[in-house]
Amino acid sequence: AQSVTQLGSHVSVSEGALVLLRCNYSSSVPPYLFWYVQYPNQGLQLLLKYTSAATLVKGINGFEAEFKKSETSFHLTKPSAHMSDAAEYFCAVSGSGTASKLTFGTGTRLQVTL
Amino acid sequence: ETGVTQSPTHLIKTRGQQVTLRCSSQSGHNTVSWYQQALGQGPQFIFQYYREEENGRGNFPPRFSGLQFPNYSSELNVNALELDDSALYLCASSLLGLAGLETQYFGPGTRLLVL
Repeated sequence: AQSVTQLGSHVSVSEGALVLLRCNYSSSVPPYLFWYVQYPNQGLQLLLKYTSAATLVKGINGFEAEFKKSETSFHLTKPSAHMSDAAEYFCAVSGSGTASKLTFGTGTRLQVTL
Repeated sequence: ETGVTQSPTHLIKTRGQQVTLRCSSQSGHNTVSWYQQALGQGPQFIFQYYREEENGRGNFPPRFSGLQFPNYSSELNVNALELDDSALYLCASSLLGLAGLETQYFGPGTRLLVL
């Protein structure tokens, strides 16, 4: 069984500040890990993914995440927040098999203030 | 390249009715997955279709059923609607190849309200 836990349902940062969204995973097989972003009344957009290559993964819009096996973590960071980053962020895990469903966390709502 | 599209965007039904939601896959993709996202929650996996066959199912009752067509588009059918079925239904398409299942790309969703 696989699961992810997102710590903090709401995170608020000032514009220009560091963004850190936390995700810990549990998996009995080598995991594939994903971060998706969801803007209000929209579907999910892929930010980045880890598929057992480099442990530091760079995504779109300046986001990156680091896979740490020893900590079972895959935290999402961005050096400088922008107002347009305000959205809901979901961490997800899947196996590498042929019927790999995504298992999502409960999400973290990022608020960016002036 | 056309992305994943879903129809309708919004739908209102009453308890006991049946509903059909539709999804068109991204060009070149052969796999479709459906997810249910209740308000304030993360998406939950309903099922996945590959080559017109169900290829994995989550913890949803049989009244949730699906189809995948030769052009890889898909339908999600829900019978005997319950109030708790009110949610955003997301379709995701991907390519299942020799290397396994590739990244899933999501459509904008259909928001279903059951009264």
